[in-house]
Amino acid sequence: DGGITQSPKYLFRKEGQNVTLSCEQNLNHDAMYWYRQDPGQGLRLIYYSQIVNDFQKGDIAEGYSVSREKKESFPLTVTSAQKNPTAFYLCASSMLGVGTEAFFGQGTRLTVV
Amino acid sequence: ELKVEQNPLFLSMQEGKNYTIYCNYSTTSDRLYWYRQDPGKSLESLFVLLSNGAVKQEGRLMASLDTKARLSTLHITAAVHDLSATYFCAVDIRGGSEKLVFGKGTKLTVNP
Repeated sequence: DGGITQSPKYLFRKEGQNVTLSCEQNLNHDAMYWYRQDPGQGLRLIYYSQIVNDFQKGDIAEGYSVSREKKESFPLTVTSAQKNPTAFYLCASSMLGVGTEAFFGQGTRLTVV
Repeated sequence: ELKVEQNPLFLSMQEGKNYTIYCNYSTTSDRLYWYRQDPGKSLESLFVLLSNGAVKQEGRLMASLDTKARLSTLHITAAVHDLSATYFCAVDIRGGSEKLVFGKGTKLTVNP
């Protein structure tokens, strides 16, 4: 089945740790995105990538890093510089071009302990 | 900077009633998307609207787009409890950046 797989579903981070969230898609989509969602809030764009080995900062990139070494993979690292990382993280992918809707993974809920 | 505003942010309605959710955006775009999110779940694509005057319907939901007014509406007809969810609109930024900007969402509760 084609789709987007995020792992893990739940993740706990200690203060000062870096953690990496996985996102894999087998839809052959060019573009991939990471969003953060806080309770009662909309989605805010962290990073996005339209092509392998290239990515752009979104609205809230500070404290996060990404890589795009393969078309199907777009991992997100939450670094210790991110002071308030507890949130629901959603990965999405889409084709480029007009009318190409984004498809979302099931999300990773990150909690700082 | 593109801003996307939804209203209302919270909507409580009775089964059988009709209501409309509004999505306003601040810059030119002719690509707008509606998504549904159930609590703790991912986003499910509902509608893709790609031109001025576009109208799409699925069951009790109908979405429309007026690019001149920079306004999209999501109309709910004869609401049922299963429609309870949070609904997001998202606007596609043109000019090569190819990214979505989301509204804050409308939390819909349909009461028996």
